[in-house]
Amino acid sequence: DVKVTQSSRYLVKRTGEKVFLECVQDMDHENMFWYRQDPGLGLRLIYFSYDVKMKEKGDIPEGYSVSREKKERFSLILESASTNQTSMYLCASSLLAAWNQPQHFGDGTRLSIL
Amino acid sequence: AQKITQTQPGMFVQEKEAVTLDCTYDTSDQSYGLFWYKQPSSGEMIFLIYQGSYDEQNATEGRYSLNFQKARKSANLVISASQLGDSAMYFCAMREGMGSNDYKLSFGAGTTVTVRA
Repeated sequence: DVKVTQSSRYLVKRTGEKVFLECVQDMDHENMFWYRQDPGLGLRLIYFSYDVKMKEKGDIPEGYSVSREKKERFSLILESASTNQTSMYLCASSLLAAWNQPQHFGDGTRLSIL
Repeated sequence: AQKITQTQPGMFVQEKEAVTLDCTYDTSDQSYGLFWYKQPSSGEMIFLIYQGSYDEQNATEGRYSLNFQKARKSANLVISASQLGDSAMYFCAMREGMGSNDYKLSFGAGTTVTVRA
């Protein structure tokens, strides 16, 4: 069965800290995505990756970076956390060649920046 | 411009009744796909149903069906025989650019469904 695992369900950090959110998938998917979810705004794409060491900016990349050193792992980095980055973060993965296949999501990380 | 519009922030439905969740989309592509996801209060996103722009028949998956009206650019989700476990937030999403390497999804703001016993 498809499995996307995010390292933490809940995380509390302080402003200015460097924050790492980890995501691992066990399905050998090429595509991986990071979204943030805010009430009334739905999910917005931060970054995505089609391959190892490859990354593309999504709709709201400011204040974030990503790393994909291995196919199964995609990390989201908040370089210097700010309170407006308090949100729910969702990781997803999908097959590269399966255009009509859904993205598979992790359980999400609720991040609070104090 | 908003690519996906869900105009119903919240809805109540009686158990065993059907409910329709509205979704309209905006694209100039001829080839695109539409997805519906369910998000219970626990947070995980669960894929429900897919409709391709060239699919001639409306998609169905168990109690879920999609009322696809291409000319109106709408893809409404119908949940039949609602159950208490259907209480969740529902998101409509679109993928454009079939044939390209663009696998991004654009999501709507979501509709919260509450099923009453």
